[in-house]
Amino acid sequence: GDSVTQMEGPVTLSEEAFLTINCTYTATGYPSLFWYVQYPGEGLQLLLKATKADDKGSNKGFEATYRKETTSFHLEKGSVQVSDSAVYFCALSVPQNQGGKLIFGQGTELSVKP
Amino acid sequence: DAGITQSPRHKVTETGTPVTLRCHQTENHRYMYWYRQDPGHGLRLIHYSYGVKDTDKGEVSDGYSVSRSKTEDFLLTLESATSSQTSVYFCAISGSNTEAFFGQGTRLTVV
Repeated sequence: GDSVTQMEGPVTLSEEAFLTINCTYTATGYPSLFWYVQYPGEGLQLLLKATKADDKGSNKGFEATYRKETTSFHLEKGSVQVSDSAVYFCALSVPQNQGGKLIFGQGTELSVKP
Repeated sequence: DAGITQSPRHKVTETGTPVTLRCHQTENHRYMYWYRQDPGHGLRLIHYSYGVKDTDKGEVSDGYSVSRSKTEDFLLTLESATSSQTSVYFCAISGSNTEAFFGQGTRLTVV
């Protein structure tokens, strides 16, 4: 079935370090891919998305490229800040004509130290 | 912010009692989802709906049922609550562009 796998956390980085959080997926058809972020005590917020192969989603300095050949959607940021500390979720959305299911990975906690 | 409201926000209930959580939206979105969030498991899909009276199971549907009698409301019922259903429950909605918006969550404790 459809699934998303993320690298396990927690990930601890110093401020201004480079961030990569790996995400791979298994899906039938052509899903859309997302990264969501959850700050403590809050619900999830969309960070970025990509709807087809080779698309690059970007927002707030974060980027991820939809790689169909490697079934991956890795999240990157060149210089993290303390305010980026949160839990990051990779997700896929099955096309609506196949049910429209939205599936998440297990989340990766990021802690950025000053 | 997308108009999505979960109620109640917190609930403590006893083992064996039925519990209903409500998700209400004002966006007229087609898709609605219920997830539970537990440490080490991320968000797991319980049930989802792709229209009025159209629902389907997710990966952890045992012990849960849902109903959607109108576009704006999606109810999640724990038929007989167990301690393993202590969790934080999130509702999400999405429209035709597939981006999802989340509620603030309901923290349920089964004692």
